[in-house]
Amino acid sequence: NAGVTQTPKFQVLKTGQSMTLQCAQDMNHEYMSWYRQDPGMGLRLIHYSVGAGITDQGEVPNGYNVSRSTTEDFPLRLLSAAPSQTSVYFCASSIGTGREKLFFGSGTQLSVL
Amino acid sequence: SQKIEQNSEALNIQEGKTATLTCNYTNYSPAYLQWYRQDPGRGPVFLLLIRENEKEKRKERLKVTFDTTLKQSLFHITASQPADSATYLCALDTGGGNKLTFGTGTQLKVEL
Repeated sequence: NAGVTQTPKFQVLKTGQSMTLQCAQDMNHEYMSWYRQDPGMGLRLIHYSVGAGITDQGEVPNGYNVSRSTTEDFPLRLLSAAPSQTSVYFCASSIGTGREKLFFGSGTQLSVL
Repeated sequence: SQKIEQNSEALNIQEGKTATLTCNYTNYSPAYLQWYRQDPGRGPVFLLLIRENEKEKRKERLKVTFDTTLKQSLFHITASQPADSATYLCALDTGGGNKLTFGTGTQLKVEL
């Protein structure tokens, strides 16, 4: 059982470039979310989705886009990368509304130069 | 302002002792409080969830308490082992029920 799979594991971008972080889960979870983790700041919610076709903003959504066309996939798009987006990104899913147990992926370490 | 506080200083304890980690919060009224473990380079892993109407929850060597009056949760690991060394995060449901907000975590190091 793969759980939550994130790709790539590492990525280096130049300022202004765009890219998509991939997240897929095979647990048939309705709820999926993206967090970023920075030293001293903890995990901060970027965007979340409670089901296919439904997305909403979290605490730090600026500079990021999401879509949820299927239950399994929840990609995160960086429109024009900035050095402030250098971080570790985690995708998580939950069987419920997102208040209960979250299953996390292994993360994507992103550096924007 | 709303915040979740965990001791940012690392906690060093000897093997076999009980480790106690603290999570304090302000201006929230969470229905759930959760604890996660995170190892370096890995995603957080769920450990325990406690509801607002529960005072205490146990799972093997782990115990969590939840005091909604003090707005505090305590996380205990009894008979600690070096393998328990990790960062422990608390998390609360906030902002309308679909958002889980995390504390910054406390690093625990269990020494032989």
